[in-house]
Amino acid sequence: EVQLVESGGGLVQPGRSLRLSCAASGFTFDDYAMHWVRQGPGKGLEWVSSIGWNGDSVAYADSVKGRFTISRDNAKNSLYLQMNSLRVEDTALYYCAKGDYGIPRNNWFDSWGQGTLVTVSS
Amino acid sequence: EIVLTQSPGTLSLSPGERATLSCRASQRVSSNYLAWYQQKPGQAPRLLIFGASSRATGIPDRFSGSGSGTDFILTISRLEPEDFAVYYCQQYGSSPGTFGQGTKVEIK
Repeated sequence: EVQLVESGGGLVQPGRSLRLSCAASGFTFDDYAMHWVRQGPGKGLEWVSSIGWNGDSVAYADSVKGRFTISRDNAKNSLYLQMNSLRVEDTALYYCAKGDYGIPRNNWFDSWGQGTLVTVSS
Repeated sequence: EIVLTQSPGTLSLSPGERATLSCRASQRVSSNYLAWYQQKPGQAPRLLIFGASSRATGIPDRFSGSGSGTDFILTISRLEPEDFAVYYCQQYGSSPGTFGQGTKVEIK
């Protein structure tokens, strides 16, 4: 059974940084692209970032480009999101999601974690 | 960026009734790369449909997807109590992938 467990969320002031992690199990992690999707309070889903199976191919939403960095450690079956220069509008539940194959383009998300809450506020 | 517009915003139906949810794209969705997700309160989204019409593993056959180009439909043939939730469409044919704003299916 696929399991994705996010951690690292919390309350942070605007302009500060936070690093999210996602621990994966139940599948061959380095066969699949991985993604971050967020959901603001009471809002819909927004794709944030994607990374290919070997970490060479990454993509970001315009809203986070230049501030967020996605990475993965296949030896640890883990996905990360380094979030710098956080803004109030980054407040959301951040989900880790598994893609359907190794390249990050043209993926649907077939498994999701339960999310980790990031609150950006002074 | 492709904008997905879902309608209606809220659908009020009774158990046993048929639900028809619409997702319209601002541009053609490449290769019909359109997925549907279900989200219940306090839970993560769950994949229902990919490729516009293929059911994900373990999804009951009362859920079906159809459509092509810019117009897509999710049909729930007979609503079960556990089907009352919010449903999102997602296009993954063009970058960035985008989601619709959601349709809430509520008990009438």
